[in-house]
Amino acid sequence: GAGVSQSPRYKVAKRGQDVALRCDPISGHVSLFWYQQALGQGPEFLTYFQNEAQLDKSGLPSDRFFAERPEGSVSTLKIQRTQQEDSAVYLCASSSPPSGVPYEQYFGPGTRLTVT
Amino acid sequence: AQSVTQLGSHVSVSEGALVLLRCNYSSSVPPYLFWYVQYPNQGLQLLLKYTSAATLVKGINGFEAEFKKSETSFHLTKPSAHMSDAAEYFCAVSDNDFGNEKLTFGTGTRLTIIP
Repeated sequence: GAGVSQSPRYKVAKRGQDVALRCDPISGHVSLFWYQQALGQGPEFLTYFQNEAQLDKSGLPSDRFFAERPEGSVSTLKIQRTQQEDSAVYLCASSSPPSGVPYEQYFGPGTRLTVT
Repeated sequence: AQSVTQLGSHVSVSEGALVLLRCNYSSSVPPYLFWYVQYPNQGLQLLLKYTSAATLVKGINGFEAEFKKSETSFHLTKPSAHMSDAAEYFCAVSDNDFGNEKLTFGTGTRLTIIP
């Protein structure tokens, strides 16, 4: 496909369960970002990859959150022992190297996580 | 730390009227500024971006924004609203740091178009 895809689109988890959210970026895009969007709020940065290297994970809210991108393409965001406050839409975005030109992040449709 | 403030969480305008969505930023370095639109159950789509070239930036769907350093503002405008413009709009700022281009978003403005 031409755009960023995410799966699943919707996920309901019971409190305490582990979840894994997948992001397929645009082919060839080097940079990949994860954002968390709570209801009625703007997206908030979670973590950033350049190829397989996780260069910034300062936005991850706790050590229950873990992200990986082992081959520099597909990325997975894992949340262990989910809590109700984890309920949000998780957005993935990808972009090309800037090469001195300001970039554009292309966003996927998001995964809506509901923790009950 | 960078931040953006969007004044007005909800804005309603009549079809055909001027659209004005406000955004003020705070940044210690010359910023890159963006406006994104989000339709229900969809991801964000870039409307336009300011990257220190022309201060008046034209985007898609007839939107434009003007960077005013003296006012630390980047307000979004459209001369004539269409029903299809009803959506959530987010202003965002980024350090022009090519080592990490993460975005900091405002809280969003929901635009309603009155027929």
